[in-house]
Amino acid sequence: EVQLVQSGGGLVQAGGSLRLSCAASGFTFSTYSLNWVRQAPGKGLEWVSYISGSSSAIYYADSVRGRFTISRDNAKNSLYLQMNSLRDEDTGVYYCARDSSSWFYWGQGTLVTVSS
Amino acid sequence: EIVMTQSPATLSVSPGEGATLSCRASHSISRNLAWYQLKPGQAPRLIILDASTRATGVPARFSGSGSGTEFTLTISSLQSEDFAVYYCQQYDNWPPVTFGGGTKVEIK
Repeated sequence: EVQLVQSGGGLVQAGGSLRLSCAASGFTFSTYSLNWVRQAPGKGLEWVSYISGSSSAIYYADSVRGRFTISRDNAKNSLYLQMNSLRDEDTGVYYCARDSSSWFYWGQGTLVTVSS
Repeated sequence: EIVMTQSPATLSVSPGEGATLSCRASHSISRNLAWYQLKPGQAPRLIILDASTRATGVPARFSGSGSGTEFTLTISSLQSEDFAVYYCQQYDNWPPVTFGGGTKVEIK
């Protein structure tokens, strides 16, 4: 059974940092690309970042480029999102999602709250 | 960046009735479109991929159609569990992957 289990998140002051994790199981982790997607309170879905299976391709939304870093450890079957210089508008639920086009498998989501 | 526009923003429907949700792309995206269902406190659920293919486990009352810039999600007879927010997503020209603003399907 494919599972994506997220951890990290929480309350952080504006300007602070946070690291999200997404632990995968039930599939050959290194052969799948992964994404981070978020939903701000009362808003829609927003794609945040993408990483290919080998980490050779990495992309970011304009809203987070230069502040967030996506990475993965294929030996640990884990995906990460290092979030620095956090802003109020980064508040929301963050999800990891598998694959490069449509996303069937999602993590359970983790709440990030940035307070000013 | 491809802009996705959904309409209406809210759809009020009685259980058992049908619902039609629309999604428009600012440029042609062929059939590279997905629909997701989102309920409070839950992860998004993939409903339709490639414009018209139902995802695994999705009931037949859900159907998708369209190509190019105009797409439709139809729910033939709404069940209680179908009341949710639905988002369309294009994956034709990325990055960035982009979503529509969502359509809330509420009980009338």
